[in-house]
This record gives sequence, C-alpha cells and structure tokens, in this order.
Amino acid sequence: DQQVKQNSPSLSVQEGRISILNCDYTNSMFDYFLWYKKYPAEGPTFLISISSIKDKNEDGRFTVFLNKSAKHLSLHIVPSQPGDSAVYFCAARNTGNQFYFGTGTSLTVIP
Amino acid sequence: DAGVTQSPTHLIKTRGQQVTLRCSPISGHKSVSWYQQVLGQGPQFIFQYYEKEERGRGNFPDRFSARQFPNYSSELNVNALLLGDSALYLCASSGGGSWTANTEAFFGQGTRLTVV
Repeated sequence: DQQVKQNSPSLSVQEGRISILNCDYTNSMFDYFLWYKKYPAEGPTFLISISSIKDKNEDGRFTVFLNKSAKHLSLHIVPSQPGDSAVYFCAARNTGNQFYFGTGTSLTVIP
Repeated sequence: DAGVTQSPTHLIKTRGQQVTLRCSPISGHKSVSWYQQVLGQGPQFIFQYYEKEERGRGNFPDRFSARQFPNYSSELNVNALLLGDSALYLCASSGGGSWTANTEAFFGQGTRLTVV
C-alpha cells in the first residue's frame, strides 16, 4: 500500500530553468512533509520540509508547495543547476513520527 | 560534528545466516529509525526507537528485530536471511523533545547487504 506516490520516475530540465517535482499522498493524517535528495552510494539528504498547517515554504532556490485538499505537494527548484541532478524523494510523516517515502524522481539538469 | 554513522558499509551473507547492522545517531538525537531501500524503490520504514523503546514497526516479518542502547545507538538484526533481504539498510536519527516532535530525519550512508 503506497501511501506516498511520485508518478514521474524521471525528469530532465535545462540548466537555469525551473524544475518541478510532484508528489501525491493518500493519508490525510500526515502532518509533516519533506523532500530528500539522494546521490548514488549515499543516504538521503534532507532538503526542505513543510508543515501541514502551511501551504508554502521557501529556502533559497527551493520552494515546496502543499495543497491539502488535493493531497498533493510539489518541489520547485529555480534556477536549476547541474549539481541538482540526483534522485529526489518525497516523504510524509504520520503523528507517530514514522516517515513514508515515495519511489523517487530522478532529476537530470542538462548544462 | 559527526552525522549518522552506520557500520559496516557493505556486507555479503549467505541465505539462512543472521546479520547485525549498527547505527550511531547524531549527538543529542534520541530517536533512531531503520529503513530498507530496495533498488528502484523509496525507503520502507522498519522500526523506530525513542529512548530505548520501540515506538513503531513497519510491515516486516518477525525475522527483523532491533534495539536501542543507553547511548542511543541502535542495532538492526535480521535472522534467517532470504535473497529478498538484499537491500540498502538506512538508519536515520531525529532530534526534538519527544518522539512525535516535528523534525526531519537525518540519514546515514546506509549498509549495503547482499544475500547470496
């Protein structure tokens, strides 16, 4: 039962343009959402998070949007840089502090 | 300041054997969680420990067990290994004043387990 879904396994974007990564969830009890970036042979690295009481959180080039009614969140990267190329995981936390991850989206930023 | 450390980094075991993976959380973090990541999938939650008590368990068989020590380090044990247990095992630690605190999880680099 996949409670967090990332329907796009891969995304290619030109350097300098916007990257938009999407994530959908099914459990309305999730109260905290996060994005992680993962390089090969490394553990996931925390990128940005958002509480369920907010609809937007921004940190430099990264912005996360949350649409609770649609159970959808997205990560915007502007401008995209080649170093952003990695696998991005969306995660959601339940009230028991357990994290559920999507299957990941592989982002390639083309120089 | 050291991050989450896991040992060993790589491990090869034979079917039916037992394995113990180790994790040291970030200093001051009391919550440790374990995840299994199979190739092409996202991390799947196995266990969460906080203050040496199990706080959550994912949908894994009883062959999987874990514990947390007084210094908040943790071990994950898997008995009677199957080929399907081959995966990257990730440990994550979280801070916060309680096990439900609104904080992110910081991951180690993982232990790559191969069962042959």
